[in-house]
Amino acid sequence: KAGVTQTPRYLIKTRGQQVTLSCSPISGHRSVSWYQQTPGQGLQFLFEYFSETQRNKGNFPGRFSGRQFSNSRSEMNVSTLELGDSALYLCASSTDRAGYGYTFGSGTRLTVV
Amino acid sequence: GESVGLHLPTLSVQEGDNSIINCAYSNSASDYFIWYKQESGKGPQFIIDIRSNMDKRQGQRVTVLLNKTVKHLSLQIAATQPGDSAVYFCAENPLNYGGSQGNLIFGKGTKLSVKP
Repeated sequence: KAGVTQTPRYLIKTRGQQVTLSCSPISGHRSVSWYQQTPGQGLQFLFEYFSETQRNKGNFPGRFSGRQFSNSRSEMNVSTLELGDSALYLCASSTDRAGYGYTFGSGTRLTVV
Repeated sequence: GESVGLHLPTLSVQEGDNSIINCAYSNSASDYFIWYKQESGKGPQFIIDIRSNMDKRQGQRVTVLLNKTVKHLSLQIAATQPGDSAVYFCAENPLNYGGSQGNLIFGKGTKLSVKP
């Protein structure tokens, strides 16, 4: 079966711009979580969505937001980009228990210049 | 605060040797732990997991050991192969195994390098 698909794979944006990343979970998976990965901070939890509702949120500023659609696909948005937002953004999906049976996508590499 | 860390940031082993990657966790409420492997350009890949009511769990060439007394987790890879070269992360789920929330707390990672 198809894995978790994230688009785009690479993105270069300018400070102050906004960006939207997309994640298509494995078919049948209703929980989608987002993580930010940087060399300095490692993998950090952003938020988790289940049935179009945000169930849990990490410690990130309000510039980071997300949503989930009825087909479980999810998007995350970062507004007013800062240089420090440069990172690999990973999406993970699971059936219903987030954190259990996660399958990760390959990520979107965002570079802010 | 809550954290999951790794004792060794890099590990270099000879092909065929056994590898041991260690991890310390601080949240005594965590009852589910996972090891992930991440290769360059890819997302983390599930290797093996263990619940807190277990001390040991074995998979194919991998074994995870959990010592709740000292809050320590280890991943053992038998007969390490060049294809095992990657960064390995431990992660903990601080909620109950059947919990509906999921914010895995990841360690910083250990880079495993296998010399042929």
